[in-house]
Amino acid sequence: GAVVSQHPSRVICKSGTSVKIECRSLDFQATTMFWYRQFPKQSLMLMATSNEGSKATYEQGVEKDKFLINHASLTLSTLTVTSAHPEDSSFYICSARERGDGSPLHFGNGTRLTVT
Amino acid sequence: GQNIDQPTEMTATEGAIVQINCTYQTSGFNGLFWYQQHAGEAPTFLSYNVLDGLEEKGRFSSFLSRSKGYSYLLLKELQMKDSASYLCSFMDSKFQLIWGAGTKLIIKP
Repeated sequence: GAVVSQHPSRVICKSGTSVKIECRSLDFQATTMFWYRQFPKQSLMLMATSNEGSKATYEQGVEKDKFLINHASLTLSTLTVTSAHPEDSSFYICSARERGDGSPLHFGNGTRLTVT
Repeated sequence: GQNIDQPTEMTATEGAIVQINCTYQTSGFNGLFWYQQHAGEAPTFLSYNVLDGLEEKGRFSSFLSRSKGYSYLLLKELQMKDSASYLCSFMDSKFQLIWGAGTKLIIKP
């Protein structure tokens, strides 16, 4: 089945630094990838939709200058958390659809970000 | 508007059957998904229903009634490893997923 790889799985960084998270579709091409954030015991919250070759579409309330998304190829999207603060500590998960709009999302394993 | 609702937590016994319900409201609908999420891990896809009826996949089955805005996930022969959160989500007219808060399922021996 479709595999989405996300790296790193865990990262601890100091406040003020930037962290890059990679999301790769290993056995399929993904023109669209989705970035989610999940706080403990809460539901998934869509942050942005990453479109290959164009600008990402951010959800309301998500700062595009803080969460930089780059989708440079059909198999790779990156999320960079810039000038991270402790409140950015969360579980970040990427996902992609193997086929068209009606197909299920396949998730990466997630990245646990801790900002100290 | 759009909304989706599922119970916060359920408890069941190993070997038994449990049904997790999900109700939703939306003007546009392109299918309903169930995902399983173990603590600290990303969700994994379980099922997809776009037409009314029951879809069976091993120990897990999912049902959909579009007219009632209702779905359920049925888990049979429960195993301890089934302890997880189960997320219900529907795809709206723009093919965006709207997520429920998840149902935490606790399996007791």
